[in-house]
Amino acid sequence: QVQLQESGPGLVKASETLSLTCTVSGGSISSGDYSWGWIRQSPEKGLGWIGSAFYSGGAYYNPSLQSRVTISLDTSKNQFSLRLTSVNAADTAVYYCARLFIGSPRRSFYFDNWGQGSLVTVSS
Amino acid sequence: QSALTQPRSVSGSPGQSVTISCTGTSSDVGTYNYVSWYQQHPGKAPKLMIYDVNRRPSGVPDRFSGSKSGNTASLTISRLQAEDEADYYCSSYAGSYTFYVFGTGTKVTVL
Repeated sequence: QVQLQESGPGLVKASETLSLTCTVSGGSISSGDYSWGWIRQSPEKGLGWIGSAFYSGGAYYNPSLQSRVTISLDTSKNQFSLRLTSVNAADTAVYYCARLFIGSPRRSFYFDNWGQGSLVTVSS
Repeated sequence: QSALTQPRSVSGSPGQSVTISCTGTSSDVGTYNYVSWYQQHPGKAPKLMIYDVNRRPSGVPDRFSGSKSGNTASLTISRLQAEDEADYYCSSYAGSYTFYVFGTGTKVTVL
């Protein structure tokens, strides 16, 4: 069973860069059947997709965050990372890393495995 | 990127059925059969309940079912149980620009 675990600072100052890492165990991030993504959830609010990166190369980002976000894969460590620049109070949220099944040749798109979540607070 | 629209809350008594709607557009739900549903208990990570509109992952009770008509998808929980009380989110693939979108979330209360 694949497991995902987020790690990183729980407190980030406004205008600085939020950096989180997701360590994957029980499966390889090099599989072409999956993409690796980040989702966040503001306190008392719903889920928001941030972006997803592919082993084959390339990534897709939420258009509202695209100018500030980067997701990268490190296959040597079986990890993937999130960088969100110029953060503000609105970026305070629980950040989840998750595996997106995309399949081949039969396509699909759903998050089948999630990390437990990491609370990141942006302070002024 | 607009979220898919869900009712804020639905409720039902044990043994009853409840249905949650998820309204999108012709750019997401209406075009792609890649609607999925997630259950989230307080303080926990979301759990996949339905994918590809109406398919259940292994281990998910058959009391959970999904459907779609036009731009609206639905999740039905039959024979409601106390453990079904949670927040539920729909989601959909939305094409190569927007790529992915979640719903606004629905709180299911078991009376």
